[in-house]
Amino acid sequence: AQKVTQAQTEISVVEKEDVTLDCVYETRDTTYYLFWYKQPPSGELVFLIRRNSFDEQNEISGRYSWNFQKSTSSFNFTITASQVVDSAVYFCALPFAPSGAGSYQLTFGKGTKLSVIP
Amino acid sequence: ETGVTQTPRHLVMGMTNKKSLKCEQHLGHNAMYWYKQSAKKPLELMFVYNFKEQTENNSVPSRFSPECPNSSHLFLHLHTLQPEDSALYLCASSPQGAQAGAFFGQGTRLTVV
Repeated sequence: AQKVTQAQTEISVVEKEDVTLDCVYETRDTTYYLFWYKQPPSGELVFLIRRNSFDEQNEISGRYSWNFQKSTSSFNFTITASQVVDSAVYFCALPFAPSGAGSYQLTFGKGTKLSVIP
Repeated sequence: ETGVTQTPRHLVMGMTNKKSLKCEQHLGHNAMYWYKQSAKKPLELMFVYNFKEQTENNSVPSRFSPECPNSSHLFLHLHTLQPEDSALYLCASSPQGAQAGAFFGQGTRLTVV
C-alpha cells in the first residue's frame, strides 16, 4: 500500500526558531521518489524538492534541509531560522502507479500547517 | 509562476448552473491532473490524462466532466453541483507521470450556492 503520514496537523513557532516537519511513508516499490510541496495562502502548491530513494544524503538549500532515512521510512523537512513568509501548509508526497508502470500519480499526506509568529 | 495557469481564480455558481474550469500548460508536459482540495481533507485526485487520454477516474460523480482536447489544455465541466462540491480545484501537469514531480496551478476557488 502507498501511504504518506504527516502526523503534525498544525505547528506554531516564533520567528527565527527552527522547525521540523515530519513525514513517514509506506511504499511497495523498491525505488521511488519523495516530494515536498508548500501551499501558501494563495493556494498554489509550490514544488520544493524531489528525492530519489537511492540517495540518502541529507540535502540543504538555504534555510531548508531534508533528512531522508530509508530505514525508518521518513523524509523530514527542517526550516532553520523561520520567517513569517514560511507560514503555509506543507505537503509530503509519494508517486505510485495504481495500474502498473507508466501512469504515476502523487499520493499526498494531509499536510502540516505551519504558522510563524513575528 | 509555475507555467500552469488556471482560470477563473474564483467562481460562485448556483446548483443549476453549468460552468467550466480551464487549465493550460506550456511546459511540454504529457500528463495533466485535476485535484480537489476541501477544507480539512487531504488532496483528492479526481482525473488523470496521459497524452490526452484519460487514464484515471477516481470514482468522481458524473456532474464533473473532464475534457482534454490536447496536451496543453484541460477542462473540468461542471453541472448541477452540490454545496459540498465547494472546494479549491487544482490542476497539475508532469513530464511523464508523477515520478518527475507535478507542477500545480494556483487553483480555482469554487463556491456552490
